Amino acid sequence: GAVVSQHPSRVICKSGTSVKIECRSLDFQATTMFWYRQFPKQSLMLMATSNEGSKATYEQGVEKDKFLINHASLTLSTLTVTSAHPEDSSFYICSARDAVRGTEAFFGQGTRLTVV
Amino acid sequence: AQSVTQPDIHITVSEGASLELRCNYSYGATPYLFWYVQSPGQGLQLLLKYFSGDTLVQGIKGFEAEFKRSQSSFNLRKPSVHWSDAAEYFCAVGALSNTGKLIFGQGTTLQVKP
Repeated sequence: GAVVSQHPSRVICKSGTSVKIECRSLDFQATTMFWYRQFPKQSLMLMATSNEGSKATYEQGVEKDKFLINHASLTLSTLTVTSAHPEDSSFYICSARDAVRGTEAFFGQGTRLTVV
Repeated sequence: AQSVTQPDIHITVSEGASLELRCNYSYGATPYLFWYVQSPGQGLQLLLKYFSGDTLVQGIKGFEAEFKRSQSSFNLRKPSVHWSDAAEYFCAVGALSNTGKLIFGQGTTLQVKP
């Protein structure tokens, strides 16, 4: 159990366009999901905490208007990178916390975004 | 400030040799500690975690880690490394109230020599 699916695994988009990344908890309910960003050969940095039915909480320095997060259901959170630029190219990983067990969060497989 | 430090950016060991990856943390509350492994272009797989109790925790793939509060450390060990263990390893810390919100170390790249 505790599977988190992230889609797409890879995406290439043109500068100025928007791209949506989905994070789904397949076999549990996730009241809270987390979005991380990972630059090449670097660590993961938390971008925002997504709570079902409410606004996301963004970490300092993360542009909320650029990285739109929606958590409309207990099994789905989406991250939309708006007006993407090459500097937004990165590896984005989500995690979801099981509302029942609550002891850890489970990670998706990540999305490699390349903006050309 | 809350932080996790993995002093070794890159480690190379011979297959069959023992391994220890270091992790030190600075955290204001009771820390909940994790080790994850990441293969290139992949997500994170949890190796083990420490919440409370026995300070020596066993994980998957033959890994173990020891929590030492006095040293603020949570080092990862494996008695005999396999070539398939070559990957990136991340130590992370979180709080019980929000264990999904993690602070990660910089990561240690493990290379295994035949």
